[in-house]
Amino acid sequence: QQQVKQSPQSLIVQKGGISIINCAYENTAFDYFPWYQQFPGKGPALLIAIRPDVSEKKEGRFTISFNKSAKQFSLHIMDSQPGDSATYFCAATVSGSARQLTFGSGTQLTVLP
Amino acid sequence: DTAVSQTPKYLVTQMGNDKSIKCEQNLGHDTMYWYKQDSKKFLKIMFSYNNKELIINETVPNRFSPKSPDKAHLNLHINSLELGDSAVYFCASSQGGGNTEAFFGQGTRLTVV
Repeated sequence: QQQVKQSPQSLIVQKGGISIINCAYENTAFDYFPWYQQFPGKGPALLIAIRPDVSEKKEGRFTISFNKSAKQFSLHIMDSQPGDSATYFCAATVSGSARQLTFGSGTQLTVLP
Repeated sequence: DTAVSQTPKYLVTQMGNDKSIKCEQNLGHDTMYWYKQDSKKFLKIMFSYNNKELIINETVPNRFSPKSPDKAHLNLHINSLELGDSAVYFCASSQGGGNTEAFFGQGTRLTVV
């Protein structure tokens, strides 16, 4: 049972465009929602994260929008650049002594020059 | 200095062999993890471990076992390797309590032939 559903599987955007990746979760106990960026041959790296007590968080060109009632959250990448081309994973976890991340299935983003 | 380091980066071995992957973190974190990334890039938790508890994902075969000689190390032992074990294995660490970032190693690509 996949607890975090992510879409789309792949996304192609022109340079300067907006990239939008969506995720939905089922477990209402989740209280921390990070997004990870993974380049080929590398491990995932934290991009931005949000807690459910806020509806939006922005860091530079990256924004998370969070809808607690709908149990959905999304990543918006403004002014997308070729260097943003990577695989993006949403994730969710429950705070605790061993906080395992439950990942979405990933989105392969390609930004065309 | 690398925060989370894994060795080896590549591992090719025959079916039925026993192998180990080593992981070390120099971040002073109290919790370490092993994740498996399959050919479709799906990331799945295998184990999380701190000095108080080991949480095992129930879907992980008992041929896989984590071994932690100390707080900074969490090695992964795999017995009787099978073709389906071929994947990229990531070690990660985080500081328990609160919503802190999980740092990932660069991964070990295991190929079973």
